Amino acid sequence: RKEVEQDPGPFNVPEGATVAFNCTYSNSASQSFFWYRQDCRKEPKLLMSVYSSGNEDGRFTAQLNRASQYISLLIRDSKLSDSATYLCVVNKRSGGYQKVTFGTGTKLQVIP
Amino acid sequence: GAGVSQSPRYKVTKRGQDVALRCDPISGHVSLYWYRQALGQGPEFLTYFNYEAQQDKSGLPNDRFSAERPEGSISTLTIQRTEQRDSAMYRCASSPTLYNEQFFGPGTRLTVL
Repeated sequence: RKEVEQDPGPFNVPEGATVAFNCTYSNSASQSFFWYRQDCRKEPKLLMSVYSSGNEDGRFTAQLNRASQYISLLIRDSKLSDSATYLCVVNKRSGGYQKVTFGTGTKLQVIP
Repeated sequence: GAGVSQSPRYKVTKRGQDVALRCDPISGHVSLYWYRQALGQGPEFLTYFNYEAQQDKSGLPNDRFSAERPEGSISTLTIQRTEQRDSAMYRCASSPTLYNEQFFGPGTRLTVL
């Protein structure tokens, strides 16, 4: 099993739709989690961190389910500009060191 | 302020040649990471530094790959005796400290003929 798994998509959704992505991770000792966004031919950029209690930033909501070992990203009222690849990132810390693992990304295409 | 910069942006080389890829992190950032990204895939971890110390190089594919960050700032990823399978986008990222958000550079597109 891969350390971090994402459905590659693509997810094709109409403007205004709500879409959700999940990301599962295999290491139960993982401690911090992030969602990054990557536009075509560009570098990844942080979208939001994922906190244990869940967090929201405008139309975006991130949640963590430690028991089932997955994080989710919900996008409400999708815009054309949301079209991108969404990467989940899992960090594990151990004695001052860290292991960072990116998922393969989920591609979102918002259609007019 | 200035973001992470990488040079060259594009590198075409012949099989068997050595290449050196440079990363200039955001000033003051303690941690620096190297990744390789294939088309349609997420970044694949190669190695990371905390200050000048290389804390994890487990992602380097083989001993042809090496990295250094001698003064805790600029880093160089070196690939010796390049092979066609080394062709990829090589990305560098930096963060203020360990465990923080990473800021990525624009990448170096390496093509080995």
